[in-house]
Amino acid sequence: SQQGEEDPQALSIQEGENATMNCSYKTSINNLQWYRQNSGRGLVHLILIRSNEREKHSGRLRVTLDTSKKSSSLLITASRAADTASYFCATAPSYGNNRLAFGKGNQVVVIP
Amino acid sequence: DAGVIQSPRHEVTEMGQEVTLRCKPISGHDYLFWYRQTMMRGLELLIYFNNNVPIDDSGMPEDRFSAKMPNASFSTLKIQPSEPRDSAVYFCASSLWGANYGYTFGSGTRLTVV
Repeated sequence: SQQGEEDPQALSIQEGENATMNCSYKTSINNLQWYRQNSGRGLVHLILIRSNEREKHSGRLRVTLDTSKKSSSLLITASRAADTASYFCATAPSYGNNRLAFGKGNQVVVIP
Repeated sequence: DAGVIQSPRHEVTEMGQEVTLRCKPISGHDYLFWYRQTMMRGLELLIYFNNNVPIDDSGMPEDRFSAKMPNASFSTLKIQPSEPRDSAVYFCASSLWGANYGYTFGSGTRLTVV
């Protein structure tokens, strides 16, 4: 299965701290993406990292990808209360169907 | 761009009734996906289309579910007859070139079947 699995499943931190989430997957990928979902809303695309990239930044987000370990991490620096959400990783296969496989999500709570 | 537009936002219906969910994808996107999200099962892909053609409907729970995409700007997901276990949030998403770029999700339809 290509489905990503996030770890930890739930994270509670103080505002201003950094939050790190990990995602593991099982097969060869073309790219890996991270999404955020605020309560009661749809998923929002945050960042995409391709299989030939090792690190990518977007604002306070930093994503790493280790294809040898089939894992990725998402770091949110200087967290804010507004970062409270569920975060999903999703993998795009190197071959086969052209659709993402989503993980189960990781709940992050940032305490003001 | 207004993004992916879903309607209705909320739907409450009685068991046995027909339910139709609607989606307008982003103009120019060639892929459209229907997902269902519940606490127990998480995010499940029901069906997806490429250039209005259904590609994979293996996630559709049973024959009570059907989806159509008559043109590039409109898709429907129909449940007939509805059952309480269909209660969930249904999301539509669209993308350009499938999984090669990010998906844009709609705000979802929260369906409650009583």
